[in-house]
Amino acid sequence: NAGVTQTPKFRILKIGQSMTLQCTQDMNHNYMYWYRQDPGMGLKLIYYSVGAGITDKGEVPNGYNVSRSTTEDFPLRLELAAPSQTSVYFCASSRTVNTGELFFGEGSRLTVL
Amino acid sequence: AQSVTQLGSHVSVSEGALVLLRCNYSSSVPPYLFWYVQYPNQGLQLLLKYTSAATLVKGINGFEAEFKKSETSFHLTKPSAHMSDAAEYFCAVSDRWSGGGADGLTFGKGTHLIIQP
Repeated sequence: NAGVTQTPKFRILKIGQSMTLQCTQDMNHNYMYWYRQDPGMGLKLIYYSVGAGITDKGEVPNGYNVSRSTTEDFPLRLELAAPSQTSVYFCASSRTVNTGELFFGEGSRLTVL
Repeated sequence: AQSVTQLGSHVSVSEGALVLLRCNYSSSVPPYLFWYVQYPNQGLQLLLKYTSAATLVKGINGFEAEFKKSETSFHLTKPSAHMSDAAEYFCAVSDRWSGGGADGLTFGKGTHLIIQP
C-alpha cells in the first residue's frame, strides 16, 4: 500500500515556466488537498477536492490550478512560475472530513529562480 | 474562522526530560484538534486527535495531549524525551460545525523540537 505518492520530489524552474506536480493515492479517498509549506509559516491550503470532478479554492490559490478527473489523481498546475512560489508542496488525502486523519505525501520541493 | 497558535517556534529539552509543546485554539465552539509530526524531509503524520468527550488523548510514541476548554488549549506532552523525538510538530484544528469541514485542517506555524544529549 503506497499511500500518497508525489512526483517530482525536487524541481528547479525559471521564472515564467510552467509545470505540474503529480499526486496519486491508492486508498480510495474522496477528499484530497494541496498545501504549501514555507519556513515558520506552517501549512497553507491551496486547493482541495471532495471527489472526482469537484474542486475548490483554499486560502492561497492564486497562481495555481487543479483538476480531479479520477478519485486517485489530483495534479497541481503552476502557470507562469514566480519566485514567491518557491516552497515545499504537500498533497494529502482523507477518507472523512472533520474527524478524519490526513495522509500526506513526502512533499515536492520547488525552487523558482 | 478557527485558528491555532503554537507558542515557541523552537523548544529545546534534554534527553529524558519532559516535553511540553503548547497550542491554543481560537473558536467559538469546541473544535476537533490534532497534533501532527514531521520528521526531516518527510510528510506529516498524525500523532493524536481530540474529537470526543475524552479530554486526555493518548497518541503514538508515548505522546499525549489534554483538551482544556476553559483555557482553549491542547498542549502536547511526553514524560521522557528521546533523541528520535527531534522533529517539527504542528497543531491543527477542524471546525466540527462548518458544514462538512471538507476544506481540511487549519495548521499552526509549527514548533521545532530539539533534543539535547
